Amino acid sequence: EIVLTQSPGTLSLSPGERVILSCRASQSVSSSYLAWYQQKPGQAPRLLIYAASSRATGIPDRFSGSGSGTDFTLTISRLEPEDFAVYYCQQYGSSPCSFGQGTKLEIK
Amino acid sequence: QVQLVQSGAEVKKPGASVKVSCKASGYTFTGYFMHWVRQAPGQGLEWMAWINPSSGGTKYAQNFQGRVTMTRDTSISTAYMELSSLRSDDTAVYYCARALCSGSSCYIFDYWGQGTLVTVSS
Repeated sequence: EIVLTQSPGTLSLSPGERVILSCRASQSVSSSYLAWYQQKPGQAPRLLIYAASSRATGIPDRFSGSGSGTDFTLTISRLEPEDFAVYYCQQYGSSPCSFGQGTKLEIK
Repeated sequence: QVQLVQSGAEVKKPGASVKVSCKASGYTFTGYFMHWVRQAPGQGLEWMAWINPSSGGTKYAQNFQGRVTMTRDTSISTAYMELSSLRSDDTAVYYCARALCSGSSCYIFDYWGQGTLVTVSS
């Protein structure tokens, strides 16, 4: 099973700042089959990015994904108040699919 | 609009079974794989299984082999997840999620149910 390690565990930032979240895989993720989800307290996860860099329907363009192989990033160009949440990466190139442990974005 | 509506919270004793339903609407139920993902309190996400609603074919994560069963009723666009021999560490929110496919991989979860809390306690 591919293990995904997200860093940092928690980030304290202010609205308007730019943030880059990291997701590192224990083995190469085939075909860049890597997705990112956002989860707010008490809610289900929401798909942001799939195939490493494709935005899901309705996702604002301040969210962008990049990377290949074992290193992937999610960038939020300018944080909005509603962006403070937990972010998970997921690989689906190898079975079983697996998730990172999450990065929590909190308001500074 | 696409909606996945799950059944309500459950409290079960250790050793019992639980069956959670997920009713789909707003799209062709048989056109998309349905997955189940769980989240223990304060923890991350764990993939459990999928079902192909069209064929009834299933795949289960090794961690749940022999304890989880996924079924569906296409006449009412509903998928079911049954977990048996419950333990206290099965206490979690269980989500159903519709999957998009990319190539041969159908694990992009674009719509999620609201979640069902299953509490296992004596």
